[in-house]
Amino acid sequence: DVVMTQSPLSLPVTLGQPASISCRSSQSLVSSDGNTYLNWFQQRPGQSPRRLIYKVSNRDSGVPDRFSGSGSGIDFTLQISRVEAEDVGIYYCMQGTHWPRTFGQGTKVEIK
Amino acid sequence: EVQLLESGGGLEQPGGSLRLSCVVSGFTFSTYAMSWVRQAPGKGLEWVSFIGPGGLTTYYADSVKGRFTISRDNSKNTLYLQMNSLRADDTALYYCAKTGQMDVWGHGTAVTVSS
Repeated sequence: DVVMTQSPLSLPVTLGQPASISCRSSQSLVSSDGNTYLNWFQQRPGQSPRRLIYKVSNRDSGVPDRFSGSGSGIDFTLQISRVEAEDVGIYYCMQGTHWPRTFGQGTKVEIK
Repeated sequence: EVQLLESGGGLEQPGGSLRLSCVVSGFTFSTYAMSWVRQAPGKGLEWVSFIGPGGLTTYYADSVKGRFTISRDNSKNTLYLQMNSLRADDTALYYCAKTGQMDVWGHGTAVTVSS
């Protein structure tokens, strides 16, 4: 199975400051169709997960442009340009290239 | 608006069975793959199963293979997860999600396996 490793697991941030979460996969996520299926999800307290980013860097509809994704191969990053209070929650990366699908452990973002 | 509504969760004894349902609306169900994902209390997300649009292609996590069966009824816009031989470590909130890349999620249905 592809192991997804996130860091840090806990991320205290100051409102208005940037934040960055890393996700590394144990093997390349480049699919045979040429796409890289790396997704990012946000789970606010008490809510269902919500997809933010698909195929590394594409924002889902309604996702604020302060969220951005980047990376390639096995190394990926989710960045929040200026953290807002509503961004508190747990963020997960997930690879959608290989079976079984696998998630990272989650990164808890909280306000300092 | 795309909506997914799970049901069928509850308290079941070890070794028992439950069938989860996920009724969808707001998109053409028969043309999309679907997934089940679960989250044990206080834990992270775990992918459980996938089914293709026509129901012929299915995949399972090793932890549920041979015990769980995913299926769908495209005429009823409904996704199912038949869960047999339940174990305590199946206790979780079960979410259905649209597509294999999980672009939209339901609110989940809680399954508790305990004697």
